[in-house]
Amino acid sequence: NAGVTQTPKFRVLKTGQSMTLLCAQDMNHEYMYWYRQDPGMGLRLIHYSVGEGTTAKGEVPDGYNVSRLKKQNFLLGLESAAPSQTSVYFCASSYGRTYNEQFFGPGTRLTVL
Amino acid sequence: AQRVTQPEKLLSVFKGAPVELKCNYSYSGSPELFWYVQYSRQRLQLLLRHISRESIKGFTADLNKGETSFHLKKPFAQEEDSAMYYCALKRGGADGLTFGKGTHLIIQP
Repeated sequence: NAGVTQTPKFRVLKTGQSMTLLCAQDMNHEYMYWYRQDPGMGLRLIHYSVGEGTTAKGEVPDGYNVSRLKKQNFLLGLESAAPSQTSVYFCASSYGRTYNEQFFGPGTRLTVL
Repeated sequence: AQRVTQPEKLLSVFKGAPVELKCNYSYSGSPELFWYVQYSRQRLQLLLRHISRESIKGFTADLNKGETSFHLKKPFAQEEDSAMYYCALKRGGADGLTFGKGTHLIIQP
């Protein structure tokens, strides 16, 4: 099992460009999450999904959109990238809500110039 | 809003010495508390959770609701314990984790 995978690993964008980050999991987990990590900060929740076809806002959702068309995939979109979105993005998944371990992907390092 | 505070950015101890990584939280309800660890070039992974009251790799953590703390302890540090450690909180009935800023633990030989 690959666990949680993220595509791409690195990306450099210019201000105003758009892109989509893909997260995939092969553990049949219901819950999926997108976090961002900035230098010297803990991970902060951007958006999450509690099942196929559902999404919800986290702590820092502005500037991002998400979709969960298939249970195994969770996409994070930046419609018009800004330098403030330079960060490392982590995807995670979990089986359920309570006391369930979140499994993390390796991260995507995004730089917006 | 809930908050997780890890007061030490960096903690350096010698091999064989005791280790204590501090974590304090603010949340008015009943939280779920976790410690996650990230070893060099590896992904973030769960170390332990308060509900299981288990010892993983010699680490333990006790939830102290009176002091709102969840400190991580190990009696004898080993070099392979060097890593970034994150304390995380999950609100009851909510989704997603609130992380502290992390503590970089360095075990010196």
